[in-house]
Amino acid sequence: GQNIDQPTEMTATEGAIVQINCTYQTSGFNGLFWYQQHAGEAPTFLSYNVLDGLEEKGRFSSFLSRSKGYSYLLLKELQMKDSASYLCAVRERDYKLSFGAGTTVTVRA
Amino acid sequence: GAVVSQHPSWVICKSGTSVKIECRSLDFQATTMFWYRQFPKQSLMLMATSNEGSKATYEQGVEKDKFLINHASLTLSTLTVTSAHPEDSSFYICSARVQGGNTIYFGEGSWLTVV
Repeated sequence: GQNIDQPTEMTATEGAIVQINCTYQTSGFNGLFWYQQHAGEAPTFLSYNVLDGLEEKGRFSSFLSRSKGYSYLLLKELQMKDSASYLCAVRERDYKLSFGAGTTVTVRA
Repeated sequence: GAVVSQHPSWVICKSGTSVKIECRSLDFQATTMFWYRQFPKQSLMLMATSNEGSKATYEQGVEKDKFLINHASLTLSTLTVTSAHPEDSSFYICSARVQGGNTIYFGEGSWLTVV
């Protein structure tokens, strides 16, 4: 099974930067996903890392260190619409995704 | 637009009845689909993996006779909650893996309320 940990809540101001950390302990690893989920809606894909390093996509960046079992999602130039839950998910060898509990990010004006 | 469609988006049913939720991949074939359940303020919990043309693989603790999964075609998987009870009320989400690829798309989710 998977053990995936991420902070429960984070608060930041509009225009700021927030970093959401995710640590995992897995028996198998085939990539790490970050999803954004607004209340009452399905998750939407943000990023996928399978190799070590930083992947940048606009205001969002994701980093992976496989040796440390660690990833982070970096949100820059925060906007009010970024208030949501952010889910870290590890993919096992058979394409199953195991999700962390999610980090609720609140952006304040 | 959505590439994975779920229907219905909302359903209310009486306790003891059964309800079917459909998950369709649009514009692509999906040999594998996944069914998740999410309770309020909790993360997604994988219920089962649905493989086209074969029996679904259920996660530990998920009753296969209660949550019937059928994946009859490369674009459709269904989840039937049988003899529903109020504790089955939840947000059910499917995802589909593009055949031969790594991309996984989520459906819009289905809210089930059992009264």
